[in-house]
Amino acid sequence: TQLLEQSPQFLSIQEGENLTVYCNSSSVFSSLQWYRQEPGEGPVLLVTVVTGGEVKKLKRLTFQFGDARKDSSLHITAAQPGDTGLYLCAADSGGGADGLTFGKGTHLIIQP
Amino acid sequence: KAGVTQTPRYLIKTRGQQVTLSCSPISGHRSVSWYQQTPGQGLQFLFEYFSETQRNKGNFPGRFSGRQFSNSRSEMNVSTLELGDSALYLCASSYGQENQPQHFGDGTRLSIL
Repeated sequence: TQLLEQSPQFLSIQEGENLTVYCNSSSVFSSLQWYRQEPGEGPVLLVTVVTGGEVKKLKRLTFQFGDARKDSSLHITAAQPGDTGLYLCAADSGGGADGLTFGKGTHLIIQP
Repeated sequence: KAGVTQTPRYLIKTRGQQVTLSCSPISGHRSVSWYQQTPGQGLQFLFEYFSETQRNKGNFPGRFSGRQFSNSRSEMNVSTLELGDSALYLCASSYGQENQPQHFGDGTRLSIL
């Protein structure tokens, strides 16, 4: 079973600032997914990264998969209050049958 | 396209009782996975069903069980409930192949008194 370490666990910043969330493991991932979860709702998929070194952008969010496929980062530019939520990374070990392994998440609060 | 539907949304039980939760996947999805989410442990994988067969199982006691029907709908059962079973139970559906994204329902909030 691979473990995913997410950091920071909590982050509170002002609107307009930039931030980066990290997801690390000692294991190699088949793929990695980032989710955002709001109170009372299930996680919503933001992006899936599969190829080492891959970079994907979703408006102000930039996702990067490490070259060795053991780590990933999520960078938010000019954060807005609507970005507030729990950000989760989840790794797929491959084979489609092991379920996703989740990090414990980053609680992000963007203050207006 | 309708999303993943979980029922009920909220449930209150007492210790020793049993409970059954239901999950209807996105149309066309054949894989349903169940997760337990708690503040201390985060999201933990319970089990996955694909084409009515349990394909994999996480590290939970045998009190946690599930099944999947021919229409891909899935149920999860927890017997002899304990206080520690209080959690948000989430199900997610996908096509079931490698690297396919999973789509989550909004969960069932189970509280044990």
